[in-house]
Amino acid sequence: GAGVSQSPSNKVTEKGKDVELRCDPISGHTALYWYRQSLGQGLEFLIYFQGNSAPDKSGLPSDRFSAERTGGSVSTLTIQRTQQEDSAVYLCASSSSGDRGYGYTFGSGTRLTVV
Amino acid sequence: GEDVEQSLFLSVREGDSSVINCTYTDSSSTYLYWYKQEPGAGLQLLTYIFSNMDMKQDQRLTVLLNKKDKHLSLRIADTQTGDSAIYFCAEADTGRRALTFGSGTRLQVQP
Repeated sequence: GAGVSQSPSNKVTEKGKDVELRCDPISGHTALYWYRQSLGQGLEFLIYFQGNSAPDKSGLPSDRFSAERTGGSVSTLTIQRTQQEDSAVYLCASSSSGDRGYGYTFGSGTRLTVV
Repeated sequence: GEDVEQSLFLSVREGDSSVINCTYTDSSSTYLYWYKQEPGAGLQLLTYIFSNMDMKQDQRLTVLLNKKDKHLSLRIADTQTGDSAIYFCAEADTGRRALTFGSGTRLQVQP
């Protein structure tokens, strides 16, 4: 597509429920990233996918968080047994690998509120 | 670990120049970026500079890099109300695959 698409744009969930956040990157972009932006905070790296390589999961805050990327395109970030501290904006970005001088293209994010 | 720091807030008057500062700790940084985030939106890449450059100019934007002091700045000339946003500094190095972002500087432009 023309840009990075994320859905839903807003999600309110009850504490303890599982949620799935979706990211559809720019067509042809082989690299995909998930970041978390908490209120008043910078961007916290969560996970990175590059082509068919094993993902870099070093930023996932706990084992309640997991992510998949199917067919090298769409990615789903899953948070199990959500907690109030999971409330944040979850941002997805993609890039064409090989030259990081192009930076990332970000989606508009999913605002997650855990009540 | 790697760290990127920015001041939290800057207020300027329309027509003035804005200077947003950023410091980083990773001496192996290769690219340094400035992103802009408007309310309710994702981050938009404004400009970037390669670490072997001192300065880059792009229309109203000037990026200055002092590699010795690990200091990066973004100057916006003739600041407009539409420039009001949060500006993030980010850096990449060859050893890590993901960018490290600062916490963002909120720029408020007063008419």
